[in-house]
Amino acid sequence: GENVEQHPSTLSVQEGDSAVIKCTYSDSASNYFPWYKQELGKRPQLIIDIRSNVGEKKDQRIAVTLNKTAKHFSLHITETQPEDSAVYFCAASPDSGGGADGLTFGKGTHLIIQP
Amino acid sequence: DVKVTQSSRYLVKRTGEKVFLECVQDMDHENMFWYRQDPGLGLRLIYFSYDVKMKEKGDIPEGYSVSREKKERFSLILESASTNQTSMYLCAWGGTATNEKLFFGSGTQLSVL
Repeated sequence: GENVEQHPSTLSVQEGDSAVIKCTYSDSASNYFPWYKQELGKRPQLIIDIRSNVGEKKDQRIAVTLNKTAKHFSLHITETQPEDSAVYFCAASPDSGGGADGLTFGKGTHLIIQP
Repeated sequence: DVKVTQSSRYLVKRTGEKVFLECVQDMDHENMFWYRQDPGLGLRLIYFSYDVKMKEKGDIPEGYSVSREKKERFSLILESASTNQTSMYLCAWGGTATNEKLFFGSGTQLSVL
């Protein structure tokens, strides 16, 4: 089955700086890559996703890049703010038509924004 | 807005007890999931269901079962709770072929003593 590795497990950055979280996956058939954000004491929420036919996707201060050849994808957050502090989970799915049962999550990155 | 409700926020049970975790969604939707969240291990799929009476094992089904008697309700059952089942349990809805987005409940923190 799919294996998703996520790094780093903890990331501390100064407010205003950029943050990058990286994930690798093992199944070359994976074609859907979402990112979920979980603030302290709250539920995970989808913040951005990308499909394998796209190399990059942006939404305001967040962006995701995908390198299918190397089988890795990254989340980029620019101009970090205190509200970006959270645990971020990447995930990969081999078949977006098969339902979320094929979704494999990474172990999570705790992003800390230092004032 | 979509709402996924989990019956309890915190639950304390004793080893060997039978435990029921309830999840109710207010949309007429087929796909429902139970995840377990542990620090450093991420989100792991326990069971899922794509229709009433239907259930399928996820990645870590051992020690768990589920029930889906009505479309809106998906229950996770711990037949005989053990201390290694102390965890945060998250119910989710969604993840279809046309919209892969998952909507999570607020979670139940279960402690088994």
